Amino acid sequence: GAVVSQHPSRVICKSGTSVKIECRSLDFQATTMFWYRQFPKKSLMLMATSNEGSKATYEQGVEKDKFLINHASLTLSTLTVTSAHPEDSSFYICSARTSAGELFFGEGSRLTVL
Amino acid sequence: RKEVEQDPGPFNVPEGATVAFNCTYSNSASQSFFWYRQDCRKEPKLLMSVYSSGNEDGRFTAQLNRASQYISLLIRDSKLSDSATYLCVVPSWGKLQFGAGTQVVVTP
Repeated sequence: GAVVSQHPSRVICKSGTSVKIECRSLDFQATTMFWYRQFPKKSLMLMATSNEGSKATYEQGVEKDKFLINHASLTLSTLTVTSAHPEDSSFYICSARTSAGELFFGEGSRLTVL
Repeated sequence: RKEVEQDPGPFNVPEGATVAFNCTYSNSASQSFFWYRQDCRKEPKLLMSVYSSGNEDGRFTAQLNRASQYISLLIRDSKLSDSATYLCVVPSWGKLQFGAGTQVVVTP
């Protein structure tokens, strides 16, 4: 099946620094990728929809200047958490949609901001 | 009311037993439904898609009740490896709506 790779799987950073998370579709081209955030024992919350070659569409309440999304190619989308604070600590997951409409998830990235 | 609601559990199930749980959704126009399995600190993985009244795959059976707007997932002959959180996902209003998940713990 299709594979989506997410990196890094775990990152610890100091408050005020920026962290970049990569999401790659390894064996298919994904014109659309999605970024989610998941708190413990909570559902996945869609943060933004990333479209190749255009600006991301952010969900209500998600700060676009804080969570920068770049979908520079058909196989790569990045999420940059800028000036991270402890409240940004969370599990971030990306997903990529195939041309057939199937959705595959990355392995997730656990961000801890000290 | 949430778009998708699930009983968080946990459902403690003896190995070999059957367990079933539901997911209710609010958008009556939803046409497709998905069950994902998520292990602790891992990404969700597609378990089953439901497009009509139901679907069966080995020990797993999903059923759709459109009148009452819920889908169920039944696991027969539970294995220890079935321990996970099961997420209900419903495309609604152009977006994927996720339930918070139902935790299943299969015990020896």
